[in-house]
Amino acid sequence: AQKITQTQPGMFVQEKEAVTLDCTYDTSDPSYGLFWYKQPSSGEMIFLIYQGSYDQQNATEGRYSLNFQKARKSANLVISASQLGDSAMYFCAINSNYQLIWGAGTKLIIKP
Amino acid sequence: NAGVMQNPRHLVRRRGQEARLRCSPMKGHSHVYWYRQLPEEGLKFMVYLQKENIIDESGMPKERFSAEFPKEGPSILRIQQVVRGDSAAYFCASSPRGTSGDTDTQYFGPGTRLTVL
Repeated sequence: AQKITQTQPGMFVQEKEAVTLDCTYDTSDPSYGLFWYKQPSSGEMIFLIYQGSYDQQNATEGRYSLNFQKARKSANLVISASQLGDSAMYFCAINSNYQLIWGAGTKLIIKP
Repeated sequence: NAGVMQNPRHLVRRRGQEARLRCSPMKGHSHVYWYRQLPEEGLKFMVYLQKENIIDESGMPKERFSAEFPKEGPSILRIQQVVRGDSAAYFCASSPRGTSGDTDTQYFGPGTRLTVL
């Protein structure tokens, strides 16, 4: 069965610093996709970045990049130059037979 | 910006009443997914639908819960005889095609927060 583990329940980071949010996964599927979503206090779920298991390069989207290490089954999210508006819950997810399997999330707080 | 629409955003019901949650997918998307989020937890898959078809309902409770995606109109998640344990945020997502393997992203609506008194 697929599983996502996010080991950091909460993180405090100084504004403008880079932050890495950890995500490890377990799957027996030969082909899969990894996703990161942001959930601010307002509650909506915002798609950030996607990494396919066969992608040769790490995905990047603006200040977001995904450090994908397939052999270690990790897909860490890196946010460069953090901003106050980055404070939110961050979820890692993997797709399995049309559904997304989610981690428990990491609460990120950016300090001014 | 015609994103995924959900209504109502907040719904309060008394125990035993029915809750109807609506979801209109993004334009051009024919695949809809429903998830439930309990406080301080990640989302849990409930059901995957295409127009007029339930593809995977493995995450749906066996009783009181049902979902549909008719040919015309929004997808509906229906909870009959609600209990306090049904209180949660219910999210709908859509994709242009089914997301299996290295395929499309699911885009989420703002969610419906159901509170059962």
